[in-house]
Amino acid sequence: LAKTTQPISMDSYEGQEVNITCSHNNIATNDYITWYQQFPSQGPRFIIQGYKTKVTNEVASLFIPADRKSSTLSLPRVSLSDTAVYYCLVRTNAGKSTFGDGTTLTVKP
Amino acid sequence: EAGVAQSPRYKIIEKRQSVAFWCNPISGHATLYWYQQILGQGPKLLIQFQNNGVVDDSQLPKDRFSAERLKGVDSTLKIQPAKLEDSAVYLCASSLGGGYQPQHFGDGTRLSIL
Repeated sequence: LAKTTQPISMDSYEGQEVNITCSHNNIATNDYITWYQQFPSQGPRFIIQGYKTKVTNEVASLFIPADRKSSTLSLPRVSLSDTAVYYCLVRTNAGKSTFGDGTTLTVKP
Repeated sequence: EAGVAQSPRYKIIEKRQSVAFWCNPISGHATLYWYQQILGQGPKLLIQFQNNGVVDDSQLPKDRFSAERLKGVDSTLKIQPAKLEDSAVYLCASSLGGGYQPQHFGDGTRLSIL
């Protein structure tokens, strides 16, 4: 399983765009990159998943360069309610993945 | 659609006692996972089921932890006897299948060992 590395914490202000980068140097050819969000006292919630280039949904965008050794989760115009822990995972086609310790994002007013 | 249901939400026991957690996955989800999340850390996979068969239990401390998924639907995770280091949140997740299908998590059971 590819190990992931993320910043431990990030601060931002309401209305800003936030980019959280994850490195996964040992990603395998068939692995996907998945991001989850976790609020206190709740289970992780799926945000977005991708294989290469760019994926966008209603809450976030995921940018993956051609070498796929890193990925960036982009949250547009964050609000106080986006304060949470964000996890980057690499998933194999057998459904295996490992959570790291995540990035704690704090959004300030 | 109803989410992953877990019970109880909280449990306090003394060390060496036993405890059980219950999980009901999203209807139709074939794959079920149990995770342990220690405060300040990411979730750690304990066991993964595909229907009622075990796919991965390599990180399950089998001398004290056991899990079953009878009939391929709901599941129970048991700890016997509990140790102080088992204090954690136990999360259940389910997905339609294995592979790249996203996992849907319940809100977990917070276990405190005295």
